[in-house]
Amino acid sequence: EVQLVQSGAEVKKPGESLKISCKGSAYLFSNYWIGWVRQMPEKGLEWMGIINPVDSDTRYSPSFQGQVTISVDKSINTAYLQWSRLKASDSAMYYCARHGEMLIGDRWGQGTLVTVSS
Amino acid sequence: EIVLTQSPGTLSLSPGERAALSCRASQPIISKYLGWYQQKPGQAPRLLIYDVSSRATGIPDRFRGSGSGTDFTLTISRLEPEDFAVYYCHQYGTSPWTFGQGTMVEIK
Repeated sequence: EVQLVQSGAEVKKPGESLKISCKGSAYLFSNYWIGWVRQMPEKGLEWMGIINPVDSDTRYSPSFQGQVTISVDKSINTAYLQWSRLKASDSAMYYCARHGEMLIGDRWGQGTLVTVSS
Repeated sequence: EIVLTQSPGTLSLSPGERAALSCRASQPIISKYLGWYQQKPGQAPRLLIYDVSSRATGIPDRFRGSGSGTDFTLTISRLEPEDFAVYYCHQYGTSPWTFGQGTMVEIK
């Protein structure tokens, strides 16, 4: 069964760094881009960016450019979303999704809840 | 960026009724790259429709997507109890990709 398994919930302080992960299984990882979506508490979905596992070509939404870094390690079928200095406003659920020939995200991870609080 | 505006914000209906959800884009959607997701509380979004009208794997045929240009509709022909959820439209033809703000379909 195709799965995207994300790392567990995180509680961090403002100014700390964080890297969360998304591991794909039961499909050819290099054939699908991995995208990231933010969902703030009780809010809608926001597209953050997407990465090609083959060559790490990355596209960011202007809203998130410079605020996060998306990366990938194709040797272990894992994509990452990273912050160098967290803010309280980064508190949200973060989802990864795979994007293949259809372009749209057809399978999603279970989400990683990030809480940033002093 | 393309802004997607969904209406209504909330739809109150009974099981067995028909639901029509609207998604209007601020500019034409390229190459039919418009889809719909369903999200239930505590769950990740689930793909229902891609390329305006193609149903994703395993999606029942009571879900139908239609539209073109800037106006799109998701129709649920007869609501089942499991269909009460939030629905998001999503365009993936023009970067940055964007989502609508969602329509909640609630039990009347």
